[in-house]
Amino acid sequence: QSALTQPASVSGSPGQSITISCTGTSRDVGGYNYVSWYQQHPGKAPKVIIFDVSNRPSGVSNRFSGSKSGNTASLTISGLQAEDEADYYCSSYRSTDSLVFGGGTRLTVL
Amino acid sequence: EVQVLESGGGLVQPGGSLRLSCAASGFTFSNYAMTWVRQAPGKGLEWVSSISASGATTFYTDSARGRFTILRDTSKNTLYLQMNSLRVEDTAVYYCAKDQDSGWFEWHFDLWGRGTLVTVSS
Repeated sequence: QSALTQPASVSGSPGQSITISCTGTSRDVGGYNYVSWYQQHPGKAPKVIIFDVSNRPSGVSNRFSGSKSGNTASLTISGLQAEDEADYYCSSYRSTDSLVFGGGTRLTVL
Repeated sequence: EVQVLESGGGLVQPGGSLRLSCAASGFTFSNYAMTWVRQAPGKGLEWVSSISASGATTFYTDSARGRFTILRDTSKNTLYLQMNSLRVEDTAVYYCAKDQDSGWFEWHFDLWGRGTLVTVSS
């Protein structure tokens, strides 16, 4: 089961906006609205920040937003803060009754 | 407090077996689908298996199917992962995760444990 494709790393300065892409196929990202994004700090468990493509759980900053176009989902973080430095993973339901994650993106706040 | 706590990890030889447990508290365990996700050292997240709220429906990643069994005991509020025929490549931190919403599979998880490390090595 091949993973969704994410850039290995992105970076930005405080206050800037960055976007992380997550590319799949019509069997996963493109075919369902079950795309989620997770933030993981070193040594910690993942935390959901976006679910169902563009929904934010309560308590998650509105600086995080999600979208999807075709087979590619995107996570945008606006007003970058030092605390946003972490690994980010997308996930999607896949038609074979399974879940697939992206390879992860390391965000560096310069 | 709403939490899930994994246990049962350790060092096991290739071909061996291990049973992981995930004790849930602070929520109605029987209302939520549950999932195991693993993370090899320095690597990304990998979905392993999910089980419906009732326990009647289970899904597995290809590499786990036939070797791992996910099950739940509502009377003990505990999720399990029975792992047999373990391979070196199964070495990872195993996380237990709860679906955000009750009912059928939601495929996103709002509660994760700290994980338990499984090391498969001779």
